Parts: sequence; structure tokens; C-alpha cells
Amino acid sequence: EIVLTQSPATLSLSPGERATLSCRASQSVSSYLAWYQQKPGQAPRLLIYDASNRATGIPARFSGSGSGTDFTLTISSLEPEDFAVYYCQQRSNWPPAFGPGTKVDIK
Amino acid sequence: QVQLQESGPGLVKPSQTLSLTCTVSGGSISSGGYYWSWIRQHPGKGLEWIGYIYYSGSTYYNPSLKSRVTISVDTSKNQFSLKLSSVTAADTAVYYCASSRVTKIVFDYWGQGTLVTVSS
Repeated sequence: EIVLTQSPATLSLSPGERATLSCRASQSVSSYLAWYQQKPGQAPRLLIYDASNRATGIPARFSGSGSGTDFTLTISSLEPEDFAVYYCQQRSNWPPAFGPGTKVDIK
Repeated sequence: QVQLQESGPGLVKPSQTLSLTCTVSGGSISSGGYYWSWIRQHPGKGLEWIGYIYYSGSTYYNPSLKSRVTISVDTSKNQFSLKLSSVTAADTAVYYCASSRVTKIVFDYWGQGTLVTVSS
């Protein structure tokens, strides 16, 4: 079973700053990694699939990169609505699994 | 646009069976091409995929829960359901239903989630 780790656990930034979130897999997941955003009291929302493809309606300030075991989600300039928890998810190996999350909060 | 809505009891007693239903609108489960999943989130914690079902009735479960989980589908009602047996306090969580394309297991549509508390 593949284990995903995310770092940092919490990222404290100001609006307008760049956010860089990391997801590392215990073994290669090729490019089969997705990113989700979750706000309090809401369901997760798919942002990125297959490492670098934005889902429908996702703003261009969100971008994903990486392959194999190391992946990055970048938010180029944080908007107030971007402060949330972000999860990565792999679909390379059975079962599909999520990372523990990174909370992006307001500094 | 596909919409999903969970329903079911918010309180279940220990050792009993948790039962939830997800109603799908804006699309037909019978049309194929999608898996229909249950995912849970323990309070303040991360996400755990429970299992999914195809419209044909084929099911796939997380090995960690497989012995206690049953997912079924009712295409006539455009619904799918979750049963989790022998629940304990550790099964207290927000339960989400979600969909993913068969060719790409990422969860693009989600229900709003429903909190199920296991307590006597």
C-alpha cells in the first residue's frame, strides 16, 4: 500500500504570497496524483489531476508538477478564498489513498 | 452537472449497522463510465476511501474495511448505498459520496457529506 506524506503540515502565508505544497509517495505513482482543496464544512474540491492537469473551472493560479514520488502544488498568488486544507491523492496503486493534508492559513 | 446528496441516520449505536444512501441527480448511474464511491473523514482528520460500485453492481472495497462494508446500487432510483456493520466509536466520521470516471480514479463530484456519530 502506498503511503502519501504532505509537508508542511501548516503553511502560514499572507494574501498575494506564493504557496508551495509538497506531497511525497512511499513508492512511485508515476503521474497519477491529484490535489484537492477543502474548506471548513465543505466537501473536497478537485483541483489538479494526473499531477499537472487543472480540473474544470480551476483558476490558473493553481498549478501542479512532479512525477514518480515527489509532487508540488503551487498557488502563484494567494487569494483570500484559497486559505484551506489541501490533500493529495494517488490512483496508481490499489487502494486509492489520500495524504494527511496541508493547512494553508493566514499569517 | 452531476449532484450527489447523502441521507441517513446521524446517530448509530455501537455494534449496529450504519446505513447511508446517496441520491444522484443531473446524470444517470446507468449510463456507465463512472464509479460511485463512499469516502469518510474522521473529525479533524484526513480522507479515507471506503469503496465504490459500478452501475452493473461490481464492487471494490478498501481492504481495511472490506469485512464490514457492503455497497449496493439501485439504478431505478438513481441511488447507491453504504452499509457498515459492527460499528464502533472509531467509525464516527463525516461520510461523503463521490463519483469518479472509470478511466481515472479521481473524485470530481462530491456530496455535501453527512456526519454519523456512533454512540449509545
